[in-house]
Amino acid sequence: QVQLVESGGGVVQPGGSLRLSCAASGFSFSTYGMHWVRQAPGKGLQWVAVIWYDGSEMYYGDSVKGRFSISRDNSKNTLYLQMNSLRVEDTAVYYCARRYCSGGICHLDYWGQGTLVIVSS
Amino acid sequence: SYVLTQPPSVSVAPGQTARITCGGNNIGSKRVHWYQHKPGQAPVVVVYEDIDRPSGIPERFSGSNSGNTATLTISRVEAGDEADYYCQVWDRSNDHPYVVFGGGTKVTVL
Repeated sequence: QVQLVESGGGVVQPGGSLRLSCAASGFSFSTYGMHWVRQAPGKGLQWVAVIWYDGSEMYYGDSVKGRFSISRDNSKNTLYLQMNSLRVEDTAVYYCARRYCSGGICHLDYWGQGTLVIVSS
Repeated sequence: SYVLTQPPSVSVAPGQTARITCGGNNIGSKRVHWYQHKPGQAPVVVVYEDIDRPSGIPERFSGSNSGNTATLTISRVEAGDEADYYCQVWDRSNDHPYVVFGGGTKVTVL
């Protein structure tokens, strides 16, 4: 079955960097786009970024544009999120999710359990 | 940017019907997806493309979308339906696509 397992979260100081990983299994990873979505403590879901199945296109939410970078290694079935210039407000649980499209309409059909990032001095 | 508005909370007695609204400008022209999120768990899609249910999601979950409001309806509510629910659409800005989530609605089963 489809499994998405995030890792790489932890505590980092403001201004620091962190790289998250999402290991995918149970499906043909190289044929699906992938998302990162986060949830700050006590807040709702916030979209972070998406990458196309082949890595040809990436798009970002306004709050992370220019600081975060989404990438993937299809040979390793792994999705990444490189987070630089981290701010206190980036503290959140980060989820990876699969992008499922049918007839040009897409949604997030499988999600991981998330990894916690805490930005604090 | 496109904004989706949900009520912060909805309370419902077991066996009754819960209706969760998602407001957006001409949202009826978009396809709306709904996610259920329980604490400590991965979010789960319960309705996609306005009205479709993934396999394994009970028929008690249904969706509609028209005009400026999309609605998720949970019939015969059970204690296990207690969760946060989010609506979601795609939009475009400067020819770049992006994902929009509503603020979420906490469903409490009395």
